[in-house]
Amino acid sequence: SQKIEQNSEALNIQEGKTATLTCNYTNYSPAYLQWYRQDPGRGPVFLLLIRENEKEKRKERLKVTFDTTLKQSLFHITASQPADSATYLCALAKGADTGRRALTFGSGTRLQVQP
Amino acid sequence: GAVVSQHPSWVICKSGTSVKIECRSLDFQATTMFWYRQFPKQSLMLMATSNEGSKATYEQGVEKDKFLINHASLTLSTLTVTSAHPEDSSFYICSARDFQTQYFGPGTRLLVL
Repeated sequence: SQKIEQNSEALNIQEGKTATLTCNYTNYSPAYLQWYRQDPGRGPVFLLLIRENEKEKRKERLKVTFDTTLKQSLFHITASQPADSATYLCALAKGADTGRRALTFGSGTRLQVQP
Repeated sequence: GAVVSQHPSWVICKSGTSVKIECRSLDFQATTMFWYRQFPKQSLMLMATSNEGSKATYEQGVEKDKFLINHASLTLSTLTVTSAHPEDSSFYICSARDFQTQYFGPGTRLLVL
């Protein structure tokens, strides 16, 4: 069966350090993978999308890698700040993007950045 | 980025009543919208795909007669929880696609007493 696993349920780091979150998947051949941020009681907010032919993508302090051989994506937040504390979700669309595919989400990693 | 709104943001109702939740794409048109449900400390679970002008597609285990979905226009989808029971209490979130990206509404917290 298809699975998306985010290995750490929670991650605590010191302010200024780099946070690295992991997303592994099985029995998927995704055209792209997405990362979202979710704050308590709020809907997810889109952060980054990385396509299967892209190894790495950056946006300000965020960096995402995508290894389709390992079936893994890593999400990095550099120079982390307490405001980065939230739950981060990785998500995949099944198969090729037809414009109608829903996303399947991992269980999320709750990041806590200590001042 | 694109904006999706939901209304109401929270609702408390008595068991047996029906509750309607609206989802609107504010600055783009969406032929497809999605409804998710999220229980505390769990991830989002897809309930159904709402298609403009046609019937919704429900995920396995989701009762279509209990969760009525109407996608009347390219910017509005509604989810009606019929004869709500306490076990339906959850956080309901809709999303709409703008190209490859899904944008989510702020969610609706439903509490059934």
